[in-house]
Amino acid sequence: GAVVSQHPSRVICKSGTSVKIECRSLDFQATTMFWYRQFPKQSLMLMATSNEGSKATYEQGVEKDKFLINHASLTLSTLTVTSAHPEDSSFYICSASYRGLAGLMATYEQYFGPGTRLTVT
Amino acid sequence: GQQVMQIPQYQHVQEGEDFTTYCNSSTTLSNIQWYKQRPGGHPVFLIQLVKSGEVKKQKRLTFQFGEAKKNSSLHITATQTTDVGTYFCAGPINGAGSYQLTFGKGTKLSVIP
Repeated sequence: GAVVSQHPSRVICKSGTSVKIECRSLDFQATTMFWYRQFPKQSLMLMATSNEGSKATYEQGVEKDKFLINHASLTLSTLTVTSAHPEDSSFYICSASYRGLAGLMATYEQYFGPGTRLTVT
Repeated sequence: GQQVMQIPQYQHVQEGEDFTTYCNSSTTLSNIQWYKQRPGGHPVFLIQLVKSGEVKKQKRLTFQFGEAKKNSSLHITATQTTDVGTYFCAGPINGAGSYQLTFGKGTKLSVIP
């Protein structure tokens, strides 16, 4: 269980164009999804938190107008990189939050999609 | 803000040797999670620790959560080439019940056959 898909897995686009990345939780409903960016040999950088039916919460330094996030349903969130530039080239990974219980405390594990390798030429 | 620090950054071991990575938080954590990312892959959830002093085992992997709930370790006994990858620890950013995680920078494990 707890499978997350991400599409496309790899995309090459020209500078100035927009790219949409989809993230789906396949076998569970995810109220919250996350979008990360990962540079080579580096850790995961949280870009934004996406909640179903509401506006995403962006981390400091992440441009809202450039990285548009829509969380239309409990199983789908999309990230659109608008007017992409070569510096936007990166590995983008989504994750879906799975709520569990440890005694009386809610805990949230994250299940990651396979990632999207974006190259902007 | 809360920081999660992880050491070492890299570790090269001979196949069959043991491996340990350490995670330290600047604040007390309600829980700590461990993830593994294979080269070219995405992070995969391994385990979550919740209780002070908790120890959990998954085959050759042993996970510990410190008594003060500010540090954790992952120990692999007799490494195999399948253990290659980067191991991340992560803790909730905003305390108990928070769904956002702060990830450590990871420890990249290389296993020499």
